[in-house]
Amino acid sequence: ETGVTQTPRHLVMGMTNKKSLKCEQHLGHNAMYWYKQSAKKPLELMFVYSLEERVENNSVPSRFSPECPNSSHLFLHLHTLQPEDSALYLCASSHDRGSRQFFGPGTRLTVL
Amino acid sequence: KNQVEQSPQSLIILEGKNCTLQCNYTVSPFSNLRWYKQDTGRGPVSLTIMTFSENTKSNGRYTATLDADTKQSSLHITASQLSDSASYICVVSDASGGSNYKLTFGKGTLLTVNP
Repeated sequence: ETGVTQTPRHLVMGMTNKKSLKCEQHLGHNAMYWYKQSAKKPLELMFVYSLEERVENNSVPSRFSPECPNSSHLFLHLHTLQPEDSALYLCASSHDRGSRQFFGPGTRLTVL
Repeated sequence: KNQVEQSPQSLIILEGKNCTLQCNYTVSPFSNLRWYKQDTGRGPVSLTIMTFSENTKSNGRYTATLDADTKQSSLHITASQLSDSASYICVVSDASGGSNYKLTFGKGTLLTVNP
C-alpha cells in the first residue's frame, strides 16, 4: 500500500447525479493531486493543491469541483457528468510539488 | 510542446525472459525522469528516478538507463515474473524553476508475462 486511499473504488452514476470522490493520505505530504486516466491515453493532471491551496487547474470543466479541507483530505465533487467522463480517477500526494508522488488505487467511474 | 513517447505500446513475453521498454522525450528543460509500474486496477508506483547526471539506476530486477543527450530512456526487466505484468509509464519532469514544474506522462507500455 502507498499510504494514499481512495473511496469509492467503483462508482456508476447517471448524468444528472451528484457524487463525490474522496482521497486521504496520512503521509504528512503537503501537495495533493487529481488525475484522470482514460484508456490508451496518458495520465491527465486535473488539479493540484499545495498547502491546501489550489495551485493548478488544467482547464478542467466546471462539472468537476475539487475541495481540499485540510492537508490530509482531497475531494472531487461531480455533477452533471457526461459519458466521456468515464475513466479511472487517481489521487496522488507528495511531500512537496517537486517530490515523488504516491498514488492511490483510483476510483473507476462509469457515467451512464 | 513537451512530449513523451513510449514503445512498444504492448509486449508479450514468456516468464523468465528479459525485455526492454523504451521512452523518448522532448521535455525541456529537463529535470528528472521516472518509471512507474501500474498494476491493473491500481495506482502507479514509482520504480526509479534519474536526474540529468545519472546514466543508470537499478531497483531489483529493474534497470533504467538515461541518455540525456539523445533524450532517451529504457527500462530493462531481467528474468521476468508473472507479477511483472503491468503497464509501465515513463514520466518526465521539466525544470521550469521553483514550484512551477510540469510532469509529462507517456501512454505506457502494457507488458504481459505468460507462463
